[in-house]
Formats: sequence, structure tokens, C-alpha cells
Amino acid sequence: EVQLVESGGGLVQPGGSLRLSCAASGFTFSSHAMNWVRLAPGKGLEWVSHISDSAGNTVYADSVKARFTISRDNSKNTLYLQMNSLRAEDTAIYYCAKEWDGSGEYFDYWGQGTLVTVSS
Amino acid sequence: EIVLTQSPATLSLSPGERATLSCRASQSVSVSLGWYQQKPGQAPRLLIYDVSNRATGIPARFSGSGSGTDFTLTISNLEPEDFAVYYCQHHYSWPLTFGGGTKVEI
Repeated sequence: EVQLVESGGGLVQPGGSLRLSCAASGFTFSSHAMNWVRLAPGKGLEWVSHISDSAGNTVYADSVKARFTISRDNSKNTLYLQMNSLRAEDTAIYYCAKEWDGSGEYFDYWGQGTLVTVSS
Repeated sequence: EIVLTQSPATLSLSPGERATLSCRASQSVSVSLGWYQQKPGQAPRLLIYDVSNRATGIPARFSGSGSGTDFTLTISNLEPEDFAVYYCQHHYSWPLTFGGGTKVEI
């Protein structure tokens, strides 16, 4: 059974940093690209970042570029999101999402999410 | 960036009725479009990929159509568990984007 379990969320002041983790199991982690997607209060889903299976390629939404860094450790089956210079508008539930086996970036498994709150 | 605009924002229907949800892209995304369902407190679930293909385990009452810039998700014969928020998403180019969502409510 595929499982994705996020951790690391919490309350942080504007300008602060957090590192999210996503522990994966039930599939060959090193063979799948992974993503972070967020859901802000009262808003819709927003794609945040993508990392290829080997970590050779990363892509970011403009809203987080130069502030967030996605990475992965295939030996630990874990995905990360380092978030720096956090802003109030980064407040959201952050989901890690596995890309499916087919062509194109669709997400067939998601974690339950971790809440990040940026507030003073 | 390709903007996906979903309409209506809210759809009020009863069980047994048909729901028709629209997703319009600011430029052509070919057939690189999918749909997700999200219920409160739950993670999204992939329903449809490449416009009209149902994901594994998705009931036949969910169907998708369209091409280019205009797409439709149809839910025939609404079941009580179908009341949720639905999002379209493209993967035609970076950045990936989602539509703003349509809430299907009773």
C-alpha cells in the first residue's frame, strides 16, 4: 500500500524558515518524480514544486522560486521542502504528491498534508 | 503561465441529478488535462487524466470531454459521496496549474 506521510509543519514568524519532510513507502520511491502542492485557507490547490526521480531536475512555482528548495534522499525514501523567507501568504496545508506511472505530471497518491502557519 | 478558469464556482444539486463542470484554459493545453476531487479534511483524488480517461477505481458515472481550451467533467446520477470540490489541472507546460475549483453541494 502506498503511503506518504508529511511532517515538519507548524507556526513560524514571517521571515522564518521551516523544513517539511514526506516519508514514502509502498512503492519504488527512486523511480518516481515527486511534487509539493499546497492548499491555502479559502483558496484552491496550488502546485509548488517538482523534483525528478533522480533529483536531476527541479521546477518551482514563481511564487516560491528562490525561497523554497525541493530535495529528496532516495536512500531514505524521503522528500523534503526547505522553506525560507516565509510570508503570510505561504500559510497553507502542504501535500506531497507522487507522480503516476503514465506520461505527464498527474498525481495519483497524496499525503494527508502538514499545516504551515506564518504569523507573528 | 496557463490559467485555468473553472465555472461555476458552486453548483447546487440533488442526489440523482447530473453535474456539468467547466474548465477553460487561457491557451491550448492539447489533451494534457486532468480532474481531481477533494473532500473536506482529505487529500485530493485523481479522477480523470488526459481529458477523458478514468483513473483506477473511478466509477463510470464520472466522465470527461473536451480539447484545446475547453473541458468538461460530467457526473451523471450524483451519489451522496460525490458532493465535494473538483479541480482541473494541466501538465502542458511548466508551471503546472490548477483551476480555482468548483464546489458541488447539495
